[in-house]
Amino acid sequence: DAGVIQSPRHEVTEMGQEVTLRCKPISGHDYLFWYRQTMMRGLELLIYFNNNVPIDDSGMPEDRFSAKMPNASFSTLKIQPSEPRDSAVYFCASSPVDRASSYEQYFGPGTRLTVT
Amino acid sequence: TQLLEQSPQFLSIQEGENLTVYCNSSSVFSSLQWYRQEPGEGPVLLVTVVTGGEVKKLKRLTFQFGDARKDSSLHITAAQPGDTGLYLCAGPSSGTYKYIFGTGTRLKVLA
Repeated sequence: DAGVIQSPRHEVTEMGQEVTLRCKPISGHDYLFWYRQTMMRGLELLIYFNNNVPIDDSGMPEDRFSAKMPNASFSTLKIQPSEPRDSAVYFCASSPVDRASSYEQYFGPGTRLTVT
Repeated sequence: TQLLEQSPQFLSIQEGENLTVYCNSSSVFSSLQWYRQEPGEGPVLLVTVVTGGEVKKLKRLTFQFGDARKDSSLHITAAQPGDTGLYLCAGPSSGTYKYIFGTGTRLKVLA
């Protein structure tokens, strides 16, 4: 398997522009997670899906952020309008969920977003 | 709010030295995981500990889960430059699949 695929790997945009980050999870994984990583705040969960349904979006910072998962093999995270403080590395992760209470998350390589 | 504090925040050591990093919380976790993240990549899971007092070994790495399931440690014996990276602990928020990540320990092993 190719692992979790994210695109683009790097994105530079100007303040006010719309940004769309894409993720293809590992086939067969039930859960998909979007994280944001910064030096100041570390790795933060933004939202996660189970079987394409959003379960918890309490980590989404503002209404400018939205995420969708139209099918089991694709998810997007959109920021509109973008602001310089959104600059971070955004990770997508998927999980096969282990019913024994813990599970392994497989992370993608991340998208480094810079908003100028 | 459940938090995971890691210490030290930064660590720079010579090849061959031993080290221990810590992950602490005031909350009980049903399990804790340790990840290693290399520059430009996503975190990769090293181990999951589930039972209080559990010790797991992965080659030169030894992981321990505290008896009260509020803390964990990672001990590296004879560190190598390939161990360089960001070490993160993580645990599930009570009753959910929402994982909380620790503040991280950035390790650099000098040849």
